Amino acid sequence: SAVISQKPSRDICQRGTSLTIQCQVDSQVTMMFWYRQQPGQSLTLIATANQGSEATYESGFVIDKFPISRPNLTFSTLTVSNMSPEDSSIYLCSARDLTRAFFGQGTRLTVV
Amino acid sequence: GNSVTQMEGPVTLSEEAFLTINCTYTATGYPSLFWYVQYPGEGLQLLLKATKADDKGSNKGFEATYRKETTSFHLEKGSVQVSDSAVYFCALSDPESGGSNYKLTFGKGTLLTVNP
Repeated sequence: SAVISQKPSRDICQRGTSLTIQCQVDSQVTMMFWYRQQPGQSLTLIATANQGSEATYESGFVIDKFPISRPNLTFSTLTVSNMSPEDSSIYLCSARDLTRAFFGQGTRLTVV
Repeated sequence: GNSVTQMEGPVTLSEEAFLTINCTYTATGYPSLFWYVQYPGEGLQLLLKATKADDKGSNKGFEATYRKETTSFHLEKGSVQVSDSAVYFCALSDPESGGSNYKLTFGKGTLLTVNP
C-alpha cells in the first residue's frame, strides 16, 4: 500500500493570501486527486492532478483559484489562492494505484 | 449525477452494542461501493468494499452487502469496541460516469463514539 505525506497538517491564514499544500507519495501511483471537506459536508473532488499537464477540474472549481501541479508520479501541490473565510476547510490529497485509493491525513485550513 | 446519502451522526454506543450505519446511493452506471474509516488524527483508510450486486465486503468484524434493488450499502458490526470510535464514510466509484478515472463520491461521514 502507498503512504501519503501531506503538509502542512494545519494552518491559519489571512484573507487575500495564498497557501500551497504539498502531497508526497512513497511509491509511484497512477492517479492523484485533491478533495475538499467543508464543515459538515462530504468530501468533494476538486480536481485530478495530471502528471506533466494541466489538472482536470470538477464543476465549480477553477485553475485560477486552485492551481495544481504534478511534476512527477509521486508529488503534487495544491494552492488555495486569494483566500477568503469560505475557503476554511480540510483539503485532502488522494492517490490511486491499480487496485485502491489512499488518502493523506489532510490539511486543516482556517482563513481569518 | 452520482450521490451518496449517509446516516446523520453522531452515533454514540456502548461497548459490545450492535452498529448499523445506513448508506444509500444514486449512480448512473454500476458502481463499486466502499466504506472508509478515519481514526482520530489519521488519514482515510479503506475499511471494506464491494464491486457488484450481492457482494458482501467485510473487514475487522464490519460487514456491508451491496443491495442493488434498494441501492444500499449499510455498514454493520455485531459488537463494537472503543477502538472503533472514528468517522465512517460511505463512497462509490462509478466508471460509467468518469471513464477510467474512478473518482470517488462520498457521503458526509458519520462520527461513531463507543463508550466503555
